[in-house]
Parts: sequence; C-alpha cells; structure tokens
Amino acid sequence: EDQVTQSPEALRLQEGESSSLNCSYTVSGLRGLFWYRQDPGKGPEFLFTLYSAGEEKEKERLKATLTKKESFLHITAPKPEDSATYLCAVQARGANSKLTFGKGITLSVRP
Amino acid sequence: EPEVTQTPSHQVTQMGQEVILRCVPISNHLYFYWYRQILGQKVEFLVSFYNNEISEKSEIFDDQFSVERPDGSNFTLKIRSTKLEDSAMYFCASSVGSETSQETQYFGPGTRLLVL
Repeated sequence: EDQVTQSPEALRLQEGESSSLNCSYTVSGLRGLFWYRQDPGKGPEFLFTLYSAGEEKEKERLKATLTKKESFLHITAPKPEDSATYLCAVQARGANSKLTFGKGITLSVRP
Repeated sequence: EPEVTQTPSHQVTQMGQEVILRCVPISNHLYFYWYRQILGQKVEFLVSFYNNEISEKSEIFDDQFSVERPDGSNFTLKIRSTKLEDSAMYFCASSVGSETSQETQYFGPGTRLLVL
C-alpha cells in the first residue's frame, strides 16, 4: 500500500527565515510526486510534479527536490502570504492514477 | 486560466437523504476524479472516471456512491442515503491524460457537505 508521511505537522517561521518541509514516501514504483498548497476551506492548488530522483523544480521562493525515498520543499525567505498547508502526494506507476496524500504540513509565517 | 468549478459550495442535508454534488472539469481534460477530506484529516481518493466509466475506486466508494457524466461538461457524485460520517469536504479534480506530464490533477474549490 502506498504511504506518504509529512513532517513536521506544523511549522512556524519568522518572515525571511528559510526552512524545509519533508515528505517521505513508499510506493510500488513511483510515477510522480506532487506538491500542492491548500488554503483553509479551499481546494489543493498545484505547485510541482517531480518524476525521478535528483530532479528539482523551482517557483518563486519554493524549490522541490526528490530522492528515492523522500522529497523536500525548501522555502527561501518566506513571506506571510506563504502561510498555508502544503500537501505531498504520490502516484504509482501503471493504470492506477489515484493520488495518495500525506496529512500535510501547516506553515505559519509571522511578519 | 481554466479551472475546475464545483456546486454547491456548501450543502446541509438530513441523514438518509440523497445528495448530488456537481463539478465542471477543465474543458479539454479526459480524466475525472472525486476525493474527500474529513475535517482535520488527509485528502482521500474516492473514484476515477475515464471514457464514461469508472477506472478505479477506493474502499470508501461503496454502493451508496455513484458517479455520472450526464453531458459534455458536468461530472456528478451522488450519495444515495447519506450517513453522518459522510460529512466532509468533497473535491473534484481533472487531468488532461494519463501520460507523463499530462497527469497533473487540478482540483476544484470543493463542496462542504454536512449531514445532520
């Protein structure tokens, strides 16, 4: 069974204080690892897809990296508007196209 | 920018009643999904739909649930006889295809269902 574990559950940062969010996964053949951002009461908003170990993707203050067992979402010099829950999900190879999500990491950035 | 839309945004119903949640996927997408998120818990897969049939479903998606694409734009989730434990946020998602780089799933804003 595919599993995703995210840590820490919650993270409080001062504006400008860089940090990393961790996503550990086990999957029967990784097809893709996805990062989403979720604001309270809203749907997940797509951020990145990573396909193979060593791959990195960047968008503004966010950078996602992937190894064979985990992914990191690095946040550089965060701003209060980066406050949200960050979800990691995996998709296994094959016809199975469902996403298996972790519980998410709630990030709070204080001004 | 195209987006997935869902109606209603909120639905309150009595236990045992039927509800239909509606979704309009992104227009050129071919794969459609329903997920749910119970308050404080993780997003859980319910069902995927392609070419007018279910391609995969989870253990949660029992005989009380059904999905339909009644026309060229709508995708619906029906719960026949709601239970208290069906209270959750329900998300619709869609993707272009299932090949690499086409399989990113885009989510709608959700329908918050409360069963009393």
